[in-house]
Amino acid sequence: QSALTQPASVSGSPGQSVTISCTGSSSDIGAYTYVSWYQQHPGKAPTLLISDVSRRRTGASYRFSGFKTGNTASLTIAGLQADDEADYYCSSYTGSNTWAFGGGTKVTVL
Amino acid sequence: QEQLVESGGGVVQPGGSLRLSCKTSGFTFSLYGIHWVRQAPGKGPEWAAFIGHAGGEKTYAESVKGRFTVSRDNSDDTAYLQMNSLRVEDTAVYYCAKLTSWGGSWPWGQGTRVIVSA
Repeated sequence: QSALTQPASVSGSPGQSVTISCTGSSSDIGAYTYVSWYQQHPGKAPTLLISDVSRRRTGASYRFSGFKTGNTASLTIAGLQADDEADYYCSSYTGSNTWAFGGGTKVTVL
Repeated sequence: QEQLVESGGGVVQPGGSLRLSCKTSGFTFSLYGIHWVRQAPGKGPEWAAFIGHAGGEKTYAESVKGRFTVSRDNSDDTAYLQMNSLRVEDTAVYYCAKLTSWGGSWPWGQGTRVIVSA
């Protein structure tokens, strides 16, 4: 299975927007639309934010949006809030019913 | 509401075995594939295994292939992960999650902790 690369950390002030990238390859992100994003607070299970590149889960905040260009997917958090401080993980289908996760990005609200 | 509850974790010696269960409710279990995802301490999630809705499709990460076996009982709305030949590096919280129509996994269970230690 492939590895997806994310920046270790991003930060922003309340109200700002931040974007997290997730770089894969032509065998995963570049080949499929099954790209998802998860938020994880300490000690909790991951929560699905986005699937199918840009489809927001019912109940997820409208401030989260996803898109993909080539082999790179991105998650944007608009209007950063204190509760957005968490770890974020991308995930992609990698073919033949296998999946991969990114290494994770810690978002800090300054 | 849709819910998944894992159980069966614990402390086991290297080379030992454990069987994890994932009891579900709130959705038609037989229509959905189930993932097993693990998360080692301080690390990100790692996809471990998948079983299709009817149980015919089973796939595994290279790190667990040949040692872990996924199964399901659609009459009992439960999925299982049989873990054999456990290694220290298998120490993690193990989650089960429902595969949605759009490729994401939701919801997830609360996780069950597996510690492999001598």
